[in-house]
Amino acid sequence: AQSVSQHNHHVILSEAASLELGCNYSYGGTVNLFWYVQYPGQHLQLLLKYFSGDPLVKGIKGFEAEFIKSKFSFNLRKPSVQWSDTAEYFCAVNALYNQGGKLIFGQGTELSVKP
Amino acid sequence: EPEVTQTPSHQVTQMGQEVILRCVPISNHLYFYWYRQILGQKVEFLVSFYNNEISEKSEIFDDQFSVERPDGSNFTLKIRSTKLEDSAMYFCASSAGTVSNQPQHFGDGTRLSIL
Repeated sequence: AQSVSQHNHHVILSEAASLELGCNYSYGGTVNLFWYVQYPGQHLQLLLKYFSGDPLVKGIKGFEAEFIKSKFSFNLRKPSVQWSDTAEYFCAVNALYNQGGKLIFGQGTELSVKP
Repeated sequence: EPEVTQTPSHQVTQMGQEVILRCVPISNHLYFYWYRQILGQKVEFLVSFYNNEISEKSEIFDDQFSVERPDGSNFTLKIRSTKLEDSAMYFCASSAGTVSNQPQHFGDGTRLSIL
């Protein structure tokens, strides 16, 4: 069965620190990969997505993620975080064979950025 | 930007009662989804819906659950005879398709509390 693991449950950083959130998935076939963010009191919003092509994808708000197929990983990065990045971050996978389009989510990583 | 809207934001129901959670997907979207998140756990897929029928459902989505698109705008999740373990945040999502460049857009969620 497909699964997604996010290594960090809670990350605390100071402003301007660099961020890397880990995400690994288990599925041998072709996948689409996503990072969603949920700011306090708001809905899940798409940060970025990978479908094919360049494994380094850039999203909104200065976030990027790198797909490393050999490691089944899709880690999220940001060179310099801001207080406004405080939120919960979810990695998600959709297997291309899956015609229904369901997303498999990781457990989420709570990011707290100290001003 | 168009949004997925969910009502109510919080629903409190006695165990054994029926509850209907409502969603208005983005107007030109064709695929609809329900997910849930039990407190402290992952966001879990429940069901996907396309062309007035269920495309896929998870093992969670048993006979207690049903979905309906009663008119051109609403997408509902009904839970018959609710149980304590149904307490969770329920998210509706919609997408224009299931292919890679058509990601899912999520609503704010309905917090369901079963007493």
